[in-house]
Amino acid sequence: DTAVSQTPKYLVTQMGNDKSIKCEQNLGHDTMYWYKQDSKKFLKIMFSYNNKELIINETVPNRFSPKSPDKAHLNLHINSLELGDSAVYFCASSPRQRRSSYNEQFFGPGTRLTVL
Amino acid sequence: LAKTTQPISMDSYEGQEVNITCSHNNIATNDYITWYQQFPSQGPRFIIQGYKTKVTNEVASLFIPADRKSSTLSLPRVSLSDTAVYYCLVGGPNTGFQKLVFGTGTRLLVSP
Repeated sequence: DTAVSQTPKYLVTQMGNDKSIKCEQNLGHDTMYWYKQDSKKFLKIMFSYNNKELIINETVPNRFSPKSPDKAHLNLHINSLELGDSAVYFCASSPRQRRSSYNEQFFGPGTRLTVL
Repeated sequence: LAKTTQPISMDSYEGQEVNITCSHNNIATNDYITWYQQFPSQGPRFIIQGYKTKVTNEVASLFIPADRKSSTLSLPRVSLSDTAVYYCLVGGPNTGFQKLVFGTGTRLLVSP
């Protein structure tokens, strides 16, 4: 019944490794997002997709690559992990987010990534 | 994007009304004010959104003065379960609702 789900919930890995975080939503939404929340709890948007099309790509290292196989899924792949990548990553979805009107976002439970 | 300023933390007791104020001095004419709530170890959850005067729903009220340079989220009769971080976001059609920015939020601690 979970609306927005993420796997895994916890991810501990070594520097230099490549890892992926998966996100799925069963709400029928068109827009999905990835956010990063650092140790100071600052929540920053990374990417946003509208129906599989990338619409927001904030200043994020190109080691981070989102992939949307269909509009219900938005996965995040991270290459060559660094210590500074340690954070909680949240996936979210909303009805089609338009420039001119707001649709609330529904967040997943988060994935806590720890890079050693 | 309009920058927002909120208190870092607030303390309250069960049953009290809590008012969290957010300053947004350079809010644009078309900007809306949106509040999210985040419980520990969970993702944020939408609470309320408003443009001017007062908006009320089953969870909270949002008060916006005429100059719109600040807004106040009001939580009536808080309980322990209202302990969370509350984020104020400002944005609108001109800046793009897709890019609402979360700040550092206000950490509310409700005690018995």
